[in-house]
Amino acid sequence: QQQVKQSPQSLIVQKGGISIINCAYENTAFDYFPWYQQFPGKGPALLIAIRPDVSEKKEGRFTISFNKSAKQFSLHIMDSQPGDSATYFCAASKPPSSRLTFGEGTQLTVNP
Amino acid sequence: KAGVTQTPRYLIKTRGQQVTLSCSPISGHRSVSWYQQTPGQGLQFLFEYFSETQRNKGNFPGRFSGRQFSNSRSEMNVSTLELGDSALYLCASSSTGGDNEKLFFGSGTQLSVL
Repeated sequence: QQQVKQSPQSLIVQKGGISIINCAYENTAFDYFPWYQQFPGKGPALLIAIRPDVSEKKEGRFTISFNKSAKQFSLHIMDSQPGDSATYFCAASKPPSSRLTFGEGTQLTVNP
Repeated sequence: KAGVTQTPRYLIKTRGQQVTLSCSPISGHRSVSWYQQTPGQGLQFLFEYFSETQRNKGNFPGRFSGRQFSNSRSEMNVSTLELGDSALYLCASSSTGGDNEKLFFGSGTQLSVL
């Protein structure tokens, strides 16, 4: 099974709050888990990515937490800003390809 | 360095027609992938090309085809268009398309089938 399930479908947070988006996967052959950010009228852009040999990766205000045994990973956006309002997609790929299987997407709205 | 360029930006076609979409990858990138994005199905992989050869194919009917040229530019073609083909078609490029490689997406071609 190649699915990646993402929740919630939509999320509203206040400026300065923490946004949390969760994903779960089924295929244990996946070994690369990126998060993409997409603004209206644009293609997805890579935000941050993780491999299953680490449990957490942080880049600025964005953190991925990874739980290999539970086959789950999540994106945390600290100090959320209105400019973070976008659709976020989790994804997964397995070697030897860069082919991505995407989650359903989360529409994040950060209120000022 | 220029990003991934997709043309045209918008297309309107009628059922039964065919359409060709174009993608120019980032200079030096040899792998080009295509994805379909719809509100209902999300982002789905169509196919990937590397060095003019299709290396990977998603679960789409044969009406969807593609090719890659020697300069790495790629085209995808959809024949006998159906209403359900209305979608944003995204092209992504990477250096070799290998494991864990970062994909760079274009802004897409918005196809509307009437």
